[in-house]
Formats: sequence, C-alpha cells, structure tokens
Amino acid sequence: AQKITQTQPGMFVQEKEAVTLDCTYDTSDPSYGLFWYKQPSSGEMIFLIYQGSYDQQNATEGRYSLNFQKARKSANLVISASQLGDSAMYFCAMSRIKAAGNKLTFGGGTRVLVKP
Amino acid sequence: EPEVTQTPSHQVTQMGQEVILRCVPISNHLYFYWYRQILGQKVEFLVSFYNNEISEKSEIFDDQFSVERPDGSNFTLKIRSTKLEDSAMYFCASSVGTRAQETQYFGPGTRLLVL
Repeated sequence: AQKITQTQPGMFVQEKEAVTLDCTYDTSDPSYGLFWYKQPSSGEMIFLIYQGSYDQQNATEGRYSLNFQKARKSANLVISASQLGDSAMYFCAMSRIKAAGNKLTFGGGTRVLVKP
Repeated sequence: EPEVTQTPSHQVTQMGQEVILRCVPISNHLYFYWYRQILGQKVEFLVSFYNNEISEKSEIFDDQFSVERPDGSNFTLKIRSTKLEDSAMYFCASSVGTRAQETQYFGPGTRLLVL
C-alpha cells in the first residue's frame, strides 16, 4: 500500500520569500509518480507539478520546483517568490502504474498563508 | 484550455434520497476517476473507470455507489440512498493514460450536503 505524509499542517510565509512544503512517501512499487496539487479556498484541485520515480532531474514548473530525494523517500515542493495568490492548501499525492487507471493517494495537506 | 466540468456545484439532499453527480471529462481522456474530500480531511479515492467498466474501487465505494458513462461525454456518480456521512466534496478527474506520469486533471467539485 502507498502512504503519503505531510507533517506541516500549516505555515506562514512572507510575500516574495521561498517556502518548502514537506512530503514523505512509502511504497513498495518500483515505479511511481509524485504530484503536487493546490486547493484554494474556492475548493478546486489545481495540478502544479509532477516527478517520476525514474526521473534523474528534479522537476520544475515556473515558480514551483520539486526536491526529489528518492533514498529518503521525500518529494518536497519549493515555491519561490511567494505571492498572495499562493495562499491555499497544498496536497502531495502519489500514483502507481497499473494496467488500467492509476489511483492517487493523497497526503493530509499543508495550509500556506502568504503574508503581505 | 480544456477542462473537466462538474454539475451541480452544490447539492443539498435528504438522507435516504438518491443523488447523481455529473462530470464531463476532458474530451481525449480515456481514464476517469471519482474522489471525495470530507470537510477538513484528505482527498480519498473512490473509483476508476476505463473502457466502460470499473478498473478499481476503494472500500468506500460500496453497493450504494455506482458509476456510468451514459454517452460519449458524461461520467456520472450515483449514490442510491444517501447517508449523513456522504456529505463531502466530490471530485471527478480524468487522464489520458495510465503511466505514472499521466496527470489527473480535476474538476471543480460538487459539494454534497446530506441532511
């Protein structure tokens, strides 16, 4: 079974500063994917970034980067130059390869509040 | 940019009533999912659907739940006899394929309240 742990229930960050959101995972699958989603107060789930278990380089998408440490089973999200619009809940999730359909297993989330 | 849509955005129902939540996945996607999020809790997988049949379901997805793709565009989740504990946000998602890197794109959700 897969398990995702996000140990930070909430955090404050000053506008324009960087913030790191922690995510650790546990799986016995040799091949898997790691995702981060953003959930603003309006409730929708917005895909941010993906990292594959065999990817050699850390994923980056604009101001988002993923610090992937496979041996430590961690996939931390780094948001650089925080903006007020980054205030939201952030979820780390994991998928596995299956013949048909990859269910996502989610962590409990981290709430980020960006202060002006 | 194509997106997943869901209707209704909010639904209030009485315990024991049937509800149908509707989703229109992204048009070229082949894999469809339902997740739910009870208020303040993590997102939980309910069911995945491919080629007109369920490919995987969680223990939450009991006989009270069913899914259907009645036509080429809609994907529905039916709860036959709602319970108070079914109150949650229900998300539909879709993806192109099944490799781990095939991102699932989520709809905006339907907030269901069972009274």
